[in-house]
Amino acid sequence: SYVLTQPPSVSVAPGKTARITCGGNNIGSKSVHWYQQKPGQAPVLVIYYDSDRPSGIPERFSGSNSGNTATLTISRVEAGDEADYYCQVWDSSSDHPEVFGGGTKLTVL
Amino acid sequence: EVQLVETGGGLIQPGGSLRLSCAASGFTVSSNYMSWVRQAPGKGLEWVSVIYSGGSTYYADSVKGRFTISRDNSKNTLYLQMNSLRAEDTAVYYCARAPYCGGDCYPPFDYWGQGTLVTVSS
Repeated sequence: SYVLTQPPSVSVAPGKTARITCGGNNIGSKSVHWYQQKPGQAPVLVIYYDSDRPSGIPERFSGSNSGNTATLTISRVEAGDEADYYCQVWDSSSDHPEVFGGGTKLTVL
Repeated sequence: EVQLVETGGGLIQPGGSLRLSCAASGFTVSSNYMSWVRQAPGKGLEWVSVIYSGGSTYYADSVKGRFTISRDNSKNTLYLQMNSLRAEDTAVYYCARAPYCGGDCYPPFDYWGQGTLVTVSS
C-alpha cells in the first residue's frame, strides 16, 4: 500500500515561514490534502487538491506538490498555528484507498 | 449546516463488540463517501474504513474481518460495527465526509465529527 512520510516535528519562530513536507512515490501525480489538528480537537482541512484553501483558512496557508514531495507552507507563523499537521491522499489502485501521513508536530518557538 | 455526531463509544473488554453511530445533518450520507478514521492515544490518524456512495466498502488490514461499515439511509446515519475488539483498537473514532465529486476525483475530508472514545481493556 502507498506510504506517506512526514517529519515528526518542525520548529519555527513567530513571523517566520514553516514548511512541512509529505513524501511519497510520485506523489506529484496524486491530489494531496492537508489537515490541522489541535489537542483535543477533530482535524480541520486546511489545504485540498494540493493548493486550494477552504473558506475561512488564512492566506498564510499554501500548498504545493511535485515529484516525490508535497509541501504545506505556513507564512508569518503565529502561536495559534501550533498543532499537528497531516497529509492525506487517495490511493485509487489499492483496497486501502485513503492514506494519511504520520503527522508533523509544528512548534512555534 | 453540516454536522456529524458520533456516539456509541465506551469501555469494552477484549473480545467484545461495540457499534458506533454517526448521525449526519445538513447533507445526505448516501450521496457522499463516508469514512471512519481513528486515533490511538498520542498517535496519528489512521484510516479505518470507507463506504462509497455506490455502496462499495473498504477496510484497513488491521480491522478487516472484524469491523463492518454500513449506513441507514432512512436515518441518515453511518455505523461501524466492531467485533473481536483488541487492546490496540483503543482510540478516538471519527466519522468524516468526503464529498462525492464524480467518477475520477479524490475529495478531501471536509467535515469531521467530534469523535467518540473506545477503550478496550479488562
